[in-house]
Amino acid sequence: GENVEQHPSTLSVQEGDSAVIKCTYSDSASNYFPWYKQELGKRPQLIIDIRSNVGEKKDQRIAVTLNKTAKHFSLHITETQPEDSAVYFCAASSGGSNYKLTFGKGTLLTVNP
Amino acid sequence: GAVVSQHPSWVICKSGTSVKIECRSLDFQATTMFWYRQFPKQSLMLMATSNEGSKATYEQGVEKDKFLINHASLTLSTLTVTSAHPEDSSFYICSALLHSEQFFGPGTRLTVL
Repeated sequence: GENVEQHPSTLSVQEGDSAVIKCTYSDSASNYFPWYKQELGKRPQLIIDIRSNVGEKKDQRIAVTLNKTAKHFSLHITETQPEDSAVYFCAASSGGSNYKLTFGKGTLLTVNP
Repeated sequence: GAVVSQHPSWVICKSGTSVKIECRSLDFQATTMFWYRQFPKQSLMLMATSNEGSKATYEQGVEKDKFLINHASLTLSTLTVTSAHPEDSSFYICSALLHSEQFFGPGTRLTVL
């Protein structure tokens, strides 16, 4: 089955700096890679996703890059704000008949004012 | 659009009792729903895939007789934790699939005394 590795497990940045979180996956059939933000005790919220036919996608301060050859994808957050502080999860899915997601272990991002 | 609810939001029960958690898609029909378990400071672990009108598909290591899943309609899936024990205490989150994207419920905090 799919295995998703995520690094770092914790990341502390100063407000206004950039933050980068990296994930690798093992199943070459995976073709959908979402990123979720989860605040304590809340549901995961989709912040951006990318499909394997695209190398990069950007939405305001958030961007995701995908390298299919190397089987890794990254989340980039620019101009970080204290409200960006949360746990971020990457995930991978091979689609197919059920779009099952395999999650990374998560990154606790702290943005210091 | 694409709202998923869960009930109850939290529950406390005695060891040995059974607890039922409901997952509803409020504004769309979902043939497929997923059940996850999340322990503190850990990632979401898929327990099972719930398919309307058929038996659920359980992930390896998840006891199907302990975690009963019923997906009787296109808007409702239920997870029943039978003979709950303290080690079953966790945050249970469901999601519903719509157009290849999973929409998550707010989660149910289960505490077994």
